[in-house]
Formats: sequence, C-alpha cells, structure tokens
Amino acid sequence: QLQLQESGPGLVKPSETLSLTCTVSGVSISSNIFYWGWIRQPPGKGLEWIGARSYSGNTHHNPSLKSRVTTSLDTSKNRFSLRLTSVTAADTAVYYCVREYSANYKIDYWGQGTLVTVSS
Amino acid sequence: QSALTQPASVSGSPGQSITISCTGTSSDVGDYNYVSWYQHHPGKAPRLMIYEVSYRPSGVSSRFSGSKSGTTASLTISGLQAEDEADYHCSSYTTSNTWVFGGGTKLTVL
Repeated sequence: QLQLQESGPGLVKPSETLSLTCTVSGVSISSNIFYWGWIRQPPGKGLEWIGARSYSGNTHHNPSLKSRVTTSLDTSKNRFSLRLTSVTAADTAVYYCVREYSANYKIDYWGQGTLVTVSS
Repeated sequence: QSALTQPASVSGSPGQSITISCTGTSSDVGDYNYVSWYQHHPGKAPRLMIYEVSYRPSGVSSRFSGSKSGTTASLTISGLQAEDEADYHCSSYTTSNTWVFGGGTKLTVL
C-alpha cells in the first residue's frame, strides 16, 4: 500500500527557508509516469498547489510561488523534498506531499499533512 | 490563477442526496475533463473520490458520482451516511499546466 509521510520543522522564522521531506513507501519514486509534489492549506482557507517534479527532472510549479520554490528527489532514500525561501506569515499552512499520476491527470495519493507555522 | 468556486457548506439528512458544485473558467474546468474531487476528514490524508470528471477509483462507493457542464463540475453523493461528513475539495488541471483547487465545501450530515 502506497504511503507518503511528511517530516520537517513545525516552526520557521520569517525570512528563513522552509524545508520539508516526504518519505514514500510502497512504490519507487523512480518512475516517469508520476510527479511528486506539494500542496498546502493555510488555516481557514482552501488548498493551494505548490508544484511537482518527475524522476526525469520535468517540473511544473505554481507561478505565484515559483521564484521561491525548489523541489528535488532522492531516489536512494525514496523520498522527495520541498524548499520554500523567504517565508512570511502568509506561508503558515498545513503542507501535504502528493503523487500526481500524469497518465490521466489525477493527484491520487496524499500524505496526512504537517503544520508549518512561520513566526519569530 | 483564480481558485475554483465551491459553496462553503452543504447539508443533508441520512439517506438523502446532495450535490456540490465547482465553478471554474474556460482555462480549467471548461477546457479539460481533468476535474477531481477529494474527501478530507480533518487530521487525515485527503482521499481521491472522483477523477476525470466522473471516474471512481477502486474502493470508492458508487454513491459518489461526478459530472460536468460547461465550466461547472458537480459531485453528487446519494444515500447520505454519517461517515460522509467531511470537507470536499474539487480540483482541475489548467491550460497553464498547473493545478487549481476550490475553496472546499463542508458537508454536514444532519
């Protein structure tokens, strides 16, 4: 059974970099038919797609966040990561890691999410 | 990219049917049949319920169905059950090769 689990600091200071990792079990991330990505939900708001990357290095990102976002894959540990630079209070959210199945354009698996608060 | 528009809340009694709408634009819902619906119980991982407008993943009850007309997609849940109470989110792929989501709808089973 495919499982995704987010990990990382729950508190980040303003202007610093938010870093999260998603560990995948049940399937290898070394496949070009999937994208591995991130979605967030600020408190009381809807979901916001951040971006994703495939094993071959193809990426697509939310234009509003693209300049601050870096995604990467670590196939040796079957995990992938998100870096979001220059964070502000507006980046406070529950962050979810997800799998996108590119064959029929669906986001089919999600992690449980991790709350990241931006505060001094 | 603007978010898709969903009602903030809907409610229904056990056994009844409810429909949640999801309105987008010609750049997302109106242009692609890549609309999905997710069920989200707080504290748990969101679950894919419908993809490509009307397809159900394996294991999803046939009480859940999806449709689309123009720039509006809909999720219908028939025979409401207590465990259906959750937040429901719609999403669509866009002509900019991005994903856009709705604001979410809280379903209350009375």
